[in-house]
Amino acid sequence: DAGITQSPRYKITETGRQVTLMCHQTWSHSYMFWYRQDLGHGLRLIYYSAAADITDKGEVPDGYVVSRSKTENFPLTLESATRSQTSVYFCASSEISRARRYEQYFGPGTRLTVT
Amino acid sequence: AQTVTQSQPEMSVQEAETVTLSCTYDTSESDYYLFWYKQPPSRQMILVIRQEAYKQQNATENRFSVNFQKAAKSFSLKISDSQLGDAAMYFCAYIVGQGGSEKLVFGKGTKLTVNP
Repeated sequence: DAGITQSPRYKITETGRQVTLMCHQTWSHSYMFWYRQDLGHGLRLIYYSAAADITDKGEVPDGYVVSRSKTENFPLTLESATRSQTSVYFCASSEISRARRYEQYFGPGTRLTVT
Repeated sequence: AQTVTQSQPEMSVQEAETVTLSCTYDTSESDYYLFWYKQPPSRQMILVIRQEAYKQQNATENRFSVNFQKAAKSFSLKISDSQLGDAAMYFCAYIVGQGGSEKLVFGKGTKLTVNP
């Protein structure tokens, strides 16, 4: 199906483990984003990517790593998970044309719990 | 710091009535985009309405409209004829940056309850 998908939808992991959250979009959007959502903070940008092999930090990048070898995929890795990274993670994408670029389409989210 | 402030953590409205959610923002840019997103219990983020700052006319989408006051940096969302399905978290957001580094900055959200 067309759209933006995230996997897994739910994940429980232990402190210190490496975890990778996957994001896949079928629109060939150039821009992709990772956000985390926590109570009292709204959505905060972790990393974003303007195109394959181009990534940049957002507001809260510490403890996270991203890569973008293909336009359609934008995985987010927690190298050594901490309890403070317990959150709901959203992936989003947007088109490059000025008229549409700022309209971001969100995936369904991944609820991550670090114990 | 560029910020978005939603001063109402929670709001409630009776079905079929009108409710207004407030949002203020801080930016030094003259051309930017503003958004309202809806997040129902399913967690899916859904774009409700978008406003381009250089347009003076307020955006409307069916029962949703905005009151955009550029000088006051205010961007409120009005929901008319409220329906039970409008119950959700609503987030105000705007775009910062330019030249390929544009990013959305979100407010902390307003939880809207619709009473039957």
